[in-house]
Amino acid sequence: EIVLTQSPATLSLSPGERVILSCRATQNVGTFLAWYQHKAGQAPRLLISAAVNRASGIPARFSGSGSGTDFTLTINSLEPEDSAVYYCQQRSGWPPLYSFGQGTKLEIK
Amino acid sequence: QARLVQSGAEVKKPGASVKVSCQASGYTFTGYYIHWVRQAPGQGLEWVGGISPNGGLINYGERFQGRVTLTRDSSITTAYMEVNNLKSDDTAIYYCATERQNWFDPWGQGTLVTVSS
Repeated sequence: EIVLTQSPATLSLSPGERVILSCRATQNVGTFLAWYQHKAGQAPRLLISAAVNRASGIPARFSGSGSGTDFTLTINSLEPEDSAVYYCQQRSGWPPLYSFGQGTKLEIK
Repeated sequence: QARLVQSGAEVKKPGASVKVSCQASGYTFTGYYIHWVRQAPGQGLEWVGGISPNGGLINYGERFQGRVTLTRDSSITTAYMEVNNLKSDDTAIYYCATERQNWFDPWGQGTLVTVSS
């Protein structure tokens, strides 16, 4: 079973700042990694697929990088509406199995 | 556009079963996997399982094998998740989601299942 570990667990930043969130896998997942934004009371929203591809409608200040076991989500010029929990997710094996990281809670002060 | 609409909140007693529905619209239902993900109170997202477009291949997360059943009915573009022998720690919001090339998008609005005696 592949385990995803996200860091940090929580952080608090100001509008306009830049943040880099980390996701590390216990085994090589290639680029089978996605990032989601989850706000309380809403459904999760796909931000980044295949490690680096922005989903439709996602602002350019969101970007993803990495491959193998180490991945990052970068958010430039933070806005108040970016307050959310961010999850990474991987797919691996056959039949395919999926797992999420434990999440990073981002607060915009 | 693609949309998933789930059934309403449920309250069940321990040992009972619950069946949650997820109706799709705005895309070709028979072309995509449907997955289920849950979020227990104060916890993160946890993959429950997924069902192939024709229902012939179903995968479950290890914790849910044997207690969760996924089905789908293409005639009404609806997927279902049934959880048997409910326990208090099954209390969670359950989401359905369409898989597009290994990723989950879109998601349903979520269904709160509360297990309480």
